[in-house]
Amino acid sequence: KAGVTQTPRYLIKTRGQQVTLSCSPISGHRSVSWYQQTPGQGLQFLFEYFSETQRNKGNFPGRFSGRQFSNSRSEMNVSTLELGDSALYLCASRRTGERAFFGQGTRLTVV
Amino acid sequence: KNEVEQSPQNLTAQEGEFITINCSYSVGISALHWLQQHPGGGIVSLFMLSSGKKKHGRLIATINIQEKHSSLHITASHPRDSAVYICAVEEGTDKLIFGTGTRLQVFP
Repeated sequence: KAGVTQTPRYLIKTRGQQVTLSCSPISGHRSVSWYQQTPGQGLQFLFEYFSETQRNKGNFPGRFSGRQFSNSRSEMNVSTLELGDSALYLCASRRTGERAFFGQGTRLTVV
Repeated sequence: KNEVEQSPQNLTAQEGEFITINCSYSVGISALHWLQQHPGGGIVSLFMLSSGKKKHGRLIATINIQEKHSSLHITASHPRDSAVYICAVEEGTDKLIFGTGTRLQVFP
């Protein structure tokens, strides 16, 4: 069974640009969550989607947004990138009430 | 004060030792997760608990809901257990709040 796939794995962007990250969940998983991991703040919850609806959102500015498609694939977008957005972005998928399965992450560097 | 506190932050052990990592939380939760992160970033979910105790191989996780405390035990530790172990509590539906992690190094 294929795991959670995140693309791209690595990305370098310039301040002010925008970026879109993609997450393909495990087949049958309708919940997809996104997380940001930095050395200073650790792992933080960004948002969670279920059946194309955002159910939960963390404390991040509006520059961070996401969406989920009918096949449960999800994208997150960060606009007007700042140096502090450099991080490992992880997504996880799950069936309700079960363990989460994480992707390998996208490492974003903003220069 | 963080909503999820883990201890210790760093742990070194000799191969074969019994290891305990602790997690305390201050919010109401629907479940607690133990995660393992190896260098390079990949995260593996070890356990999801809402009560009692779970065991998988050499790993045991327990939770005391009344005391808002969970422990992860590793029996007969091995160098391949070296990783960061992260406790995360689930608040509501699918929103995880993470501890800062425990970095474990097991030496042969």
